[in-house]
Order: sequence, then structure tokens, then C-alpha cells
Amino acid sequence: DTAVSQTPKYLVTQMGNDKSIKCEQNLGHDTMYWYKQDSKKFLKIMFSYNNKELIINETVPNRFSPKSPDKAHLNLHINSLELGDSAVYFCASSQGDEVGQPQHFGDGTRLSIL
Amino acid sequence: AQSVSQHNHHVILSEAASLELGCNYSYGGTVNLFWYVQYPGQHLQLLLKYFSGDPLVKGIKGFEAEFIKSKFSFNLRKPSVQWSDTAEYFCASGGSARQLTFGSGTQLTVLP
Repeated sequence: DTAVSQTPKYLVTQMGNDKSIKCEQNLGHDTMYWYKQDSKKFLKIMFSYNNKELIINETVPNRFSPKSPDKAHLNLHINSLELGDSAVYFCASSQGDEVGQPQHFGDGTRLSIL
Repeated sequence: AQSVSQHNHHVILSEAASLELGCNYSYGGTVNLFWYVQYPGQHLQLLLKYFSGDPLVKGIKGFEAEFIKSKFSFNLRKPSVQWSDTAEYFCASGGSARQLTFGSGTQLTVLP
């Protein structure tokens, strides 16, 4: 069984469009994350969220917004897509944010902007 | 702000060679340290982690890492690499899971 699943795996779209990436985890974790991995493989945290608090990386444009319908889901909405948004986006989850808790990652969504 | 440095961007080894990948972190408080591996086309998987206790940490697939506080380092080692170890390796640190900061990654290529 897939622990953290993301859909779609690939997403090709044009500049200016609005798109969403879905993420679901079946691990019973209470904290979920979104990361962006650029063309140089550098991973950068975008958001972390649990049922109490959303923490946003201040460098993330407000065109990006996380939406969590329930504890097992954290979807990523992107408005007015730009060329620089092309990257691989990884969802992850962990049990709380106590010291030492590892994060479990999804397979990633490769977003390409034309 | 936390930062993690991986100075080796690409390492090429022959099978059976020994591996050591460097990782340095900057953070003044309590740290958690992790090594993740990303095989081609796959998601990140946890290799090992350290947050307290024995500074020599054993992970999966024969990997180990040593936490040296005085050097702010957490280098990854494996005595004998295999072709299947070809992957991207990421070091990460954080005071808690929410503050996880990744290094830029090291691409390991193992030649058969």
C-alpha cells in the first residue's frame, strides 16, 4: 500500500493556468508538507500543516495555497502558473513535529509549464 | 537560519569502493539529522537519522553516519558500494520535523 500518494504524477500546462496537485497519506500522520525540488535537485520546504497550524515559507508566492479537507489530505493549489514554477513537487507527512520524527515522501509530481 | 551543506555534488565510484559523503549543518540548538536517498525516478526514502545517543548511527542497506558535534558534521559512509546504490543522497537537519532543511544533494554514480 502506498503510504503517501500524489496525483497527478505528471502535469503539463500553459502559463497563466490554475492547477491543483492532490496528496493523501494513509499513515495516520497529523502533519503534512509540500516541497519544491528545482532542476538542480535542491529541495525547499513550501508549507507544513497540521490540524492546528499552517506554517508557510515566506519565500513562497501567494499564488500557491495549501488546502486540507481533512487530516489525511493536503492539496496544493497554484494560480496563474509561471515558467519558474516548473519543478517536481513532493508531498510528505510525519507524526507530529517532535524531535526525531522522519518524514515520509510521496513519489512527486513533475510540473512542466509551457 | 539553518543551513545544510553538501560539498560533493557528484561522486563517481567503482563497485566495492568505500563511500563517504560530506554533510555540514549550521544550527545552534538541538538538531535532528537525516540522510535521505532518492533513486532515479523515485521518491525520497529515509536512510538513517540521528537525534540523540550514540553518534554513530546505523541505517538501512549497510549505510552509517557519524555525528561529530564539534565539526557540525554528519557524514554518510558505506564500506563497499554496489551499482544499486546509484542515486541522489540528501542530508537534512532540523530542530523539529517542521523545520527540516535539506542540503543540495550529492549524486552518487557507481560503475559496475
